[in-house]
Amino acid sequence: DVKVTQSSRYLVKRTGEKVFLECVQDMDHENMFWYRQDPGLGLRLIYFSYDVKMKEKGDIPEGYSVSREKKERFSLILESASTNQTSMYLCASSVEQGALDQPQHFGDGTRLSIL
Amino acid sequence: KQEVTQIPAALSVPEGENLVLNCSFTDSAIYNLQWFRQDPGKGLTSLLLIQSSQREQTSGRLNASLDKSSGRSTLYIAASQPGDSATYLCAVAFYNQGGKLIFGQGTELSVKP
Repeated sequence: DVKVTQSSRYLVKRTGEKVFLECVQDMDHENMFWYRQDPGLGLRLIYFSYDVKMKEKGDIPEGYSVSREKKERFSLILESASTNQTSMYLCASSVEQGALDQPQHFGDGTRLSIL
Repeated sequence: KQEVTQIPAALSVPEGENLVLNCSFTDSAIYNLQWFRQDPGKGLTSLLLIQSSQREQTSGRLNASLDKSSGRSTLYIAASQPGDSATYLCAVAFYNQGGKLIFGQGTELSVKP
């Protein structure tokens, strides 16, 4: 079974802090994704990566950056946290860009509160 | 802009009922459509994936259908159980989105004992 592990289930940080959310997958997947989920807005894609050291902006990248130094790890960085970044953050992975018969696998999420 | 819509937003049924959840999408040029389940405060669990060339997929008591021409998919749950209570999300990988998933808002299902 694919395992996508997010480092924290709950996180509380202060405005202006630099925040790191970590995600690790154990199935040698090429693709990794970061989403945020908010009531009434659903899931929105922040950033994704199709390979090591490769990143692409999703629909709402402002205020975020990412790092993928190793294939199994994809980090989301809030450069200077703000209260409107309080949300549930979900990481996902999938096999490779051309494998359209393979689903995305999600972690359990990190509920981040910015005070 | 491609969109995915799920109706109803919430559904409550008695245990044992067969039920249908609906998903509609705005563009028939898709790679695949996926159904996910989300329990409160948790991540998403993949239930079924239907490729563009397929009409339906089945897993246990779940059956998902796809009609690209009308931009619709349904998730059929047979003999519902209280353990089926969760939010069900539909997501579509559109051609011109490079395979990225666009999610619907979900249907919150409650199955009463």
